[in-house]
Amino acid sequence: DTGVSQNPRHKITKRGQNVTFRCDPISEHNRLYWYRQTLGQGPEFLTYFQNEAQLEKSRLLSDRFSAERPKGSFSTLEIQRTEQGDSAMYLCASSLDGASPLHFGNGTRLTVT
Amino acid sequence: GIQVEQSPPDLILQEGANSTLRCNFSDSVNNLQWFHQNPWGQLINLFYIPSGTKQNGRLSATTVATERYSLLYISSSQTTDSGVYFCAPRDGTGNQFYFGTGTSLTVIP
Repeated sequence: DTGVSQNPRHKITKRGQNVTFRCDPISEHNRLYWYRQTLGQGPEFLTYFQNEAQLEKSRLLSDRFSAERPKGSFSTLEIQRTEQGDSAMYLCASSLDGASPLHFGNGTRLTVT
Repeated sequence: GIQVEQSPPDLILQEGANSTLRCNFSDSVNNLQWFHQNPWGQLINLFYIPSGTKQNGRLSATTVATERYSLLYISSSQTTDSGVYFCAPRDGTGNQFYFGTGTSLTVIP
């Protein structure tokens, strides 16, 4: 069990650029979640996958955001045409199933200049 | 979604002191998780506790789901306990965990 791995740890980008983050969940964990956390707030749910199927998306996930989990393994979160308001910590978590606890990665901190 | 209120929002303790953190939630839940976010931002699992009481060393947690609250007890606090504590109840569908704004704990030597 190597834990949930996220890359990169930090990303600085200019407004209008596209960025992609990767999450590798704990092996054999069927569920994968993306959360976003801004300063002074708790994590906010963005979306989750059951295996390769994206089953729920938050209203926070505008059409500039897209997430995939091909083959039910790693996941990517892409943000197109980044805005300064996208600056946040993007957290990935996985769980064995819908009745098991969440395990978070270290997050990717995005700064949009 | 579930509304989560945590209290107190901020807490400063002398090393060795005990504390109780409270989490109230607005709807029925099928589970609840407590996390410690350390100063480096890592969210560390503390407890996964739908009801009853669990203990792990100096920490223990109690969830009373019928009354929609959970408590986290920290005894003999240490400077390494500093950080933000989040509770995250899981909704009835089992699909989402909802987070409050946390309790920021500072333990001073």
